[in-house]
Amino acid sequence: AQSVTQLDSQVPVFEEAPVELRCNYSSSVSVYLFWYVQYPNQGLQLLLKYLSGSTLVESINGFEAEFNKSQTSFHLRKPSVHISDTAEYFCAVSDPSSASKIIFGSGTRLSIRP
Amino acid sequence: NAGVTQTPKFRVLKTGQSMTLLCAQDMNHEYMYWYRQDPGMGLRLIHYSVGEGTTAKGEVPDGYNVSRLKKQNFLLGLESAAPSQTSVYFCASSDIGQGGTEAFFGQGTRLTVV
Repeated sequence: AQSVTQLDSQVPVFEEAPVELRCNYSSSVSVYLFWYVQYPNQGLQLLLKYLSGSTLVESINGFEAEFNKSQTSFHLRKPSVHISDTAEYFCAVSDPSSASKIIFGSGTRLSIRP
Repeated sequence: NAGVTQTPKFRVLKTGQSMTLLCAQDMNHEYMYWYRQDPGMGLRLIHYSVGEGTTAKGEVPDGYNVSRLKKQNFLLGLESAAPSQTSVYFCASSDIGQGGTEAFFGQGTRLTVV
């Protein structure tokens, strides 16, 4: 069975500092990997995804994540955060051969200090 | 384009009462999901559907029932509400066939059982 582990429940950083949100997954098969973002009192929105090809994927607002198969990781990074990045971030995994289930991690709350 | 719409947005129930949460999507998606979100536990899959007339159990199905009589609607029922079902419920939908397809989420329903 697939599972996702987000080791950090909360990550406080100062504005304009770099940040890394960690995600590790467990799966016996190949996977699709996602990062979703949830702003306060809203539903989740897709931030970026890895399906195949280049292991480095980017979002339109400066986040990037790298798929590392040997370490079974998909960490999310941003070189310089803004107050507007304050949100909860969820890593998720699905099985390419079975479209029906998307399994989410427990989430990491990113708080930005001015 | 409304996307995924959940009703109601808030509800308070007494223990033992029943209710139905409605999810409607206008994107012609085959797959629909119900998740619950609890602090520190991320999103947990309750039930899902891979098409009209089909339903399947997720990680935490006990105490819930679902129906998908129409492709655009996915109903979540609580027959006898318990305080442990106090949570924020999210509905999502995604396209058919590809596990890498983005899931679109509703705004959530905040349910309190007293």
